[in-house]
Amino acid sequence: DVKVTQSSRYLVKRTGEKVFLECVQDMDHENMFWYRQDPGLGLRLIYFSYDVKMKEKGDIPEGYSVSREKKERFSLILESASTNQTSMYLCASSLPDRGHQPQHFGDGTRLSIL
Amino acid sequence: AQKITQTQPGMFVQEKEAVTLDCTYDTSDPSYGLFWYKQPSSGEMIFLIYQGSYDQQNATEGRYSLNFQKARKSANLVISASQLGDSAMYFCAMRGDNYGQNFVFGPGTRLSVLP
Repeated sequence: DVKVTQSSRYLVKRTGEKVFLECVQDMDHENMFWYRQDPGLGLRLIYFSYDVKMKEKGDIPEGYSVSREKKERFSLILESASTNQTSMYLCASSLPDRGHQPQHFGDGTRLSIL
Repeated sequence: AQKITQTQPGMFVQEKEAVTLDCTYDTSDPSYGLFWYKQPSSGEMIFLIYQGSYDQQNATEGRYSLNFQKARKSANLVISASQLGDSAMYFCAMRGDNYGQNFVFGPGTRLSVLP
């Protein structure tokens, strides 16, 4: 079974802090994704990566950056956390097959910025 | 642009009965994949079932089946013999076949199974 592991289920940080959310997958997937999920807004794509050291902006990249130094790890960075970044963050990975491969998700991180 | 519509914000079903969750989609891609995910209150997104646009038969996975009507652009999820553990949010999603396309998710349907 595919395993996507996010470093924390719950995280509380203060405004202005630099926050790191870590995601590791164990299935040698090329593709990795970061989403945030907010009530009424659904899942929104922040950043994605199709290969090591490669990153692409999603729909809402402002205020975030990512790092993919190794194939299995995709980190989301909040450069200077703000209260409007309080949200549920979901990491996912998939094989690169066109259209047919599901994304496999981690358990999510509920991040609160105070 | 691709779009997923789930018109049922919430659904109730009696335990052991079947329930259908609606999903319609819009795309101009000739080839695409359709997916359903379950999200319990604990937060994880669980992949349930996949349907390819060129698949001749409707997909089935255990108690889950997908009622795929390509001409109507609908991909409804059918859960048979509902269980209390089926209470969750359910998301329909799609992805086109072109390189660089990402998943598009619907707004979700909250299913509550009543004892």
